[in-house]
Amino acid sequence: GQQLNQSPQSMFIQEGEDVSMNCTSSSIFNTWLWYKQDPGEGPVLLIALYKAGELTSNGRLTAQFGITRKDSFLNISASIPSDVGIYFCAGQLRNQGGKLIFGQGTELSVKP
Amino acid sequence: EAQVTQNPRYLITVTGKKLTVTCSQNMNHEYMSWYRQDPGLGLRQIYYSMNVEVTDKGDVPEGYKVSRKEKRNFPLILESPSPNQTSLYFCASSLGSYNEQFFGPGTRLTVL
Repeated sequence: GQQLNQSPQSMFIQEGEDVSMNCTSSSIFNTWLWYKQDPGEGPVLLIALYKAGELTSNGRLTAQFGITRKDSFLNISASIPSDVGIYFCAGQLRNQGGKLIFGQGTELSVKP
Repeated sequence: EAQVTQNPRYLITVTGKKLTVTCSQNMNHEYMSWYRQDPGLGLRQIYYSMNVEVTDKGDVPEGYKVSRKEKRNFPLILESPSPNQTSLYFCASSLGSYNEQFFGPGTRLTVL
């Protein structure tokens, strides 16, 4: 089945630093999504991307849908302690009933 | 408040003892789905439902059953739980299969 490779698996950064994480796949997706999971909670959608090449921002977060439709990245600028959590990418195919294929997750730690 | 609720939040059980994890949403969503989250694997879809009485297998359906008798409820049933079903389970719902999926808070299941 489809698989997403997300990297890095974990990051330890200083408050104020920028962060970058990415997902790649051997499959083409119609939609790329980025989620954040806080400890003890379910994932929450951060950014949704619907078109190849699309670049979308949500506050300090910026994500791009790769032009090959096989990859996506998420950047977080000027990180703050509340950015701590696990970030997941997810791909969605139009012909598979809405199923989300998730990456393995990037665990982000921010040192004040 | 619009939300997805799951019960119980934590459950420790023994091999072979049937259990049900309930999921309910109050947003009149048609699409509901169950995922399991395991370290290093991200979230994987177990079953999904496009509408009442319409359910289908996801990527890892073995050992699980679901039902969708009412729009708001989508219980996950483990007829004979085994230790390899120890995991963190999430229910999600969305207006349609390609709309944003809202996740519940998760159910941490341990099968001894």
